[in-house]
Amino acid sequence: AQTVTQSQPEMSVQEAETVTLSCTYDTSESDYYLFWYKQPPSRQMILVIRQEAYKQQNATENRFSVNFQKAAKSFSLKISDSQLGDAAMYFCAYRASYDKVIFGPGTSLSVIP
Amino acid sequence: EADIYQTPRYLVIGTGKKITLECSQTMGHDKMYWYQQDPGMELHLIHYSYGVNSTEKGDLSSESTVSRIRTEHFPLTLESARPSHTSQYLCASSDLSGSTDTQYFGPGTRLTVL
Repeated sequence: AQTVTQSQPEMSVQEAETVTLSCTYDTSESDYYLFWYKQPPSRQMILVIRQEAYKQQNATENRFSVNFQKAAKSFSLKISDSQLGDAAMYFCAYRASYDKVIFGPGTSLSVIP
Repeated sequence: EADIYQTPRYLVIGTGKKITLECSQTMGHDKMYWYQQDPGMELHLIHYSYGVNSTEKGDLSSESTVSRIRTEHFPLTLESARPSHTSQYLCASSDLSGSTDTQYFGPGTRLTVL
C-alpha cells in the first residue's frame, strides 16, 4: 500500500531565511504525481507545487522548489526567502494514475519575524 | 468566479440531531471528496465521487452518507450526530479529465457536537 511520511511535525524558520520540509513515500508504481499543499490557519488549503514522476527536472514555483529523488522516494519542499505568510500546515501528497490522493500527516511551519 | 463552497462554516449542534453539510463547486469538476480533519492533524478521506450517481467510501470508516445527484453538489449527511463526530470536514473537487488531478479545497465546516 502506498504511504506518505512527513517526519517533521513542526518546523520554524527566520523570516527571509530558507527552510526545507521533508517527505518520503512508498510505492511500487513508476508513474505517479506528487504534491505539496499549504493550509494556513483558518484558511483554505491550496496547492503549492506539483511534480510528475516521469519528469526528471525539479518543479519550481517562485520561492518554492522541490528536490525530487525518485530512487530514494523522497520529495522535499524548499521555501526560499521565507515570509510571514508562509506560516501554515504543509501536506505532502501522492497520487498514482487515476487513484485516490494520499496525504501525509503534515508539517506545521512557523515563521519567526 | 469558479470556486468551491461549503456551508455552514461553523456548526454547533446537540447529540442525536440530523445534519447535512453542503458542498458546491462551480468548476465543472467530475470528482469530489469529503475529508475529515482534526485541528492540526492529517486528512482522512471519508467519501468520494467520480460523477453523478457515483459514491464511494474512503479510507476512514464514517457513519455519514453522501449523495451526488448533480455534478456541482456533494452533500454529506449525519443521521444522528454524536460528540465523536466533532471535527473539521473539508470538501474538495478535481478534474477527472486532467492527468494531474489537482484538488481544490473548500473552506471547511467546523462541526461541534455537544
